[in-house]
Amino acid sequence: DAGVTQSPTHLIKTRGQQVTLRCSPKSGHDTVSWYQQALGQGPQFIFQYYEEEERQRGNFPDRFSGHQFPNYSSELNVNALLLGDSALYLCASSSGQTGLRLGEQFFGPGTRLTVL
Amino acid sequence: AQTVTQSQPEMSVQEAETVTLSCTYDTSESDYYLFWYKQPPSRQMILVIRQEAYKQQNATENRFSVNFQKAAKSFSLKISDSQLGDAAMYFCASRNFGNEKLTFGTGTRLTIIP
Repeated sequence: DAGVTQSPTHLIKTRGQQVTLRCSPKSGHDTVSWYQQALGQGPQFIFQYYEEEERQRGNFPDRFSGHQFPNYSSELNVNALLLGDSALYLCASSSGQTGLRLGEQFFGPGTRLTVL
Repeated sequence: AQTVTQSQPEMSVQEAETVTLSCTYDTSESDYYLFWYKQPPSRQMILVIRQEAYKQQNATENRFSVNFQKAAKSFSLKISDSQLGDAAMYFCASRNFGNEKLTFGTGTRLTIIP
């Protein structure tokens, strides 16, 4: 049973560019959440997708956008990259049916984004 | 708004000994969950243990146990018989019922001394 997968593993971009990160949820999961983890910090919630719609959003600017596909995989897009966007981006999946009570999210290994 | 505070940036423990990591949180909700996650150098966040706020009994998972003090909003993690594989960043996190957003603390780096 494959867990949560993310691609790419590492990415280097320059300021002003746009980037797309990808996530495939754990088998049986239909909800995907994205987190940004700056160096030396805990993860910060960006947003969550369920049934192909953004269900909840954290305190991130509109430069951060996402998408969920019918197979539950998800993309995170960041436009007009800033130096401060350099971070580890984590994807977490859960089940929309049972996740609310069980509360368990499974995390992927993350994508390390470096903005130069 | 929820907040989670971890006041110990770094901790170390001798192999086979016991260590306790501290966490305090703040929430206005009555139904919520608390978690400890482990993040080894491989970066993958792994759930160690979780506690449902409505349960008075402290959660245990093998060598890992928590001390949940609801009135004090304290949620510490005890690791018994520490092993070299326990070395990692440990994050305390909270989540309100009906809301899948996790709020994390800043983490505690745990070093195991052989």
